[in-house]
Amino acid sequence: GQQVMQIPQYQHVQEGEDFTTYCNSSTTLSNIQWYKQRPGGHPVFLIQLVKSGEVKKQKRLTFQFGEAKKNSSLHITATQTTDVGTYFCNAGGTSYGKLTFGQGTILTVHP
Amino acid sequence: DAGVIQSPRHEVTEMGQEVTLRCKPISGHNSLFWYRQTMMRGLELLIYFNNNVPIDDSGMPEDRFSAKMPNASFSTLKIQPSEPRDSAVYFCASSSGGTLPYTFGSGTRLTVV
Repeated sequence: GQQVMQIPQYQHVQEGEDFTTYCNSSTTLSNIQWYKQRPGGHPVFLIQLVKSGEVKKQKRLTFQFGEAKKNSSLHITATQTTDVGTYFCNAGGTSYGKLTFGQGTILTVHP
Repeated sequence: DAGVIQSPRHEVTEMGQEVTLRCKPISGHNSLFWYRQTMMRGLELLIYFNNNVPIDDSGMPEDRFSAKMPNASFSTLKIQPSEPRDSAVYFCASSSGGTLPYTFGSGTRLTVV
C-alpha cells in the first residue's frame, strides 16, 4: 500500500524559532492533508493540498505541495507554546481510494 | 453538528474480557475509519468502511478484532478476548469520502490489565 515517510520524528525548539516537518512519498500523491494533535487530544484537520506546487497559508503556518506531488512540508514561523503537539500528514494516490498517515512529528516548544 | 461521537471515553478491563467500542459518525459522511494509536506504532488504520461496507480490513490485527457498521449512523469495534497488548487509544473518524478531510472522535482509551 501507499507509504509516506515523515521527518523529523521529534523537534525541540525555543519559542520564537521556526519549525518545519516534511512528508515524502516514493510515488505520486493525489492529495495530502495535514493534521495537528494536541497532547491528550485527537487529530484535527488543518488543510488539504491537491495541486502540484500548491502553497497555502494559515496565519503562521505555511503548507507546500511539491511540484512532482511526491512531498509536502508544513512550516511554522515564530513558534508559540500553543503550537505544541504532533503534526501528521495523511496522503495517498488515486489508485488507493484512501489515505495513509505518516508517523508524525512531535513538536516541543520551550518558553 | 456534534461531531464524531465515541463511547466510552475510557475503558479498563481484565484480560480475556470482551470489549466493545462505539462510534457515531457525522451525519452525511459515508466513510468511516477505525484507528489505533500507541507510542510505539503511531496511528494505525484498522478498518475502513464506505457506505457501511468494509472496504479494507487489512489492518485488523487478528481474529480477536471485529468491526461492524449496521447502518450509516453507527459502528462498533469489538475485541474478544482482550489482551494487555491491546491497550491503546482507539479513534473513530468519518469523512465525506475516502480521500476527503477526516473528522476524528475524541477516542477511547483502552487499558487491559
